Amino acid sequence: QSALTQPPSASGSPGQSVAISCTGTSSDVGGYNYVSWYQQHPGKAPKLLIYDVSKRPSGVPDRFSGSKSGNTASLTVSGLQAEDEADYYCCSYAGTKEVFGGGTKLTVL
Amino acid sequence: EVHLVESGGGLVKPGGSLRLSCAASGFTFTTAWMSWVRQAPGKGLEWVGRIKSKSDGGTTDHAAPVKGRFTISRDDSKNTLYLQMNSLKTEDTAVYYCTLYEQTYYFEYWGQGIRVTVSS
Repeated sequence: QSALTQPPSASGSPGQSVAISCTGTSSDVGGYNYVSWYQQHPGKAPKLLIYDVSKRPSGVPDRFSGSKSGNTASLTVSGLQAEDEADYYCCSYAGTKEVFGGGTKLTVL
Repeated sequence: EVHLVESGGGLVKPGGSLRLSCAASGFTFTTAWMSWVRQAPGKGLEWVGRIKSKSDGGTTDHAAPVKGRFTISRDDSKNTLYLQMNSLKTEDTAVYYCTLYEQTYYFEYWGQGIRVTVSS
């Protein structure tokens, strides 16, 4: 059982927006502004999308955005494109450890 | 350009040992924090542990499932990160990723991963 809770699946049509939630506790998500998100295509290594809750590394499209409220963080993908179909994982610093969510499979209809 | 290349994976029997290596290039390894993350077949990502730079103390933290069995270390003269895995269990079967781990606690770059299979 993963430490952070994500919905197993999400979907949207091209051009639409979709939000993926990531719920933890006050010991991880709620206690630190160190939430990150990763995109993983099948058979590939994960790729950093968002760090420090809402910051985007260079090269990541601004269609990807992150936020946090209390113990729940969210990743929003706007203007969905076919290549956004992938697995998405959240991660939070939790003191002496890092904890991941179970992952969300995003399907572009 | 950052490159992280894992090696040393393979098939090992339960109770056996294996050492993974990660050759790093494209950044200043001596001041970098590094981490290992694994992914069991068909499952999600799981943090294994991290090591700080020597200038930041060189300390390590390991996840509860591997504590006492796995050890992360580094050789700054070789720009190489290691994961020594002892007393391996079938549940350690996974792809292991070497990552460049930033000091605000995120995994900025990932290697391509190396497969470890623990089976009799």
